[in-house]
Amino acid sequence: AQSVTQLGSHVSVSEGALVLLRCNYSSSVPPYLFWYVQYPNQGLQLLLKYTSAATLVKGINGFEAEFKKSETSFHLTKPSAHMSDAAEYFCAFSPAGGTYKYIFGTGTRLKVLA
Amino acid sequence: DAGVTQSPTHLIKTRGQQVTLRCSPISGHKSVSWYQQVLGQGPQFIFQYYEKEERGRGNFPDRFSARQFPNYSSELNVNALLLGDSALYLCASSLGTGAGETQYFGPGTRLLVL
Repeated sequence: AQSVTQLGSHVSVSEGALVLLRCNYSSSVPPYLFWYVQYPNQGLQLLLKYTSAATLVKGINGFEAEFKKSETSFHLTKPSAHMSDAAEYFCAFSPAGGTYKYIFGTGTRLKVLA
Repeated sequence: DAGVTQSPTHLIKTRGQQVTLRCSPISGHKSVSWYQQVLGQGPQFIFQYYEKEERGRGNFPDRFSARQFPNYSSELNVNALLLGDSALYLCASSLGTGAGETQYFGPGTRLLVL
């Protein structure tokens, strides 16, 4: 079955530290992959998108993610956390081959400590 | 440019009632998708519409229905509300319905069923 798994429902980092949010997918065909951020009481904002053009994808707000087919992973990183990064982050994938929907992970809540 | 808009922002209903949620897509976008986000979980796909036709449906009961209008706006209807329907309902718009299409999300309608 096609699915996406986010390891760690809660992640805490100190301000200025590396942010690493993990996402693994399960799909029989190479997918399109996305990271979205959700601030409290708001909708989802697209951070970045993988479409097979490049394995390292740069997004907004200094975030980037690397697609690793051998590990079926698409982890999200940011070199230096800022207080404003505190939010919930969702990994989503859309299987290539004509399907129409996004399949979301359960989310990771990022807390940034001063 | 205006993003995806949804109305109302909040709604309180009682069990057994019916509710209609509304969504206006980004100008030029012809596809609208609906997702349900229960507290603490990732969004779950409900429907996708393109050019007024249903293109996909998630694993939701027939109490959930939707439609898209000629101006590409959309309504989601839920009949015979249950307590478990309490959630944030997200609308997303995209240019088309391809697997890699980026979906842009609105702020959501938070529904509370008492």
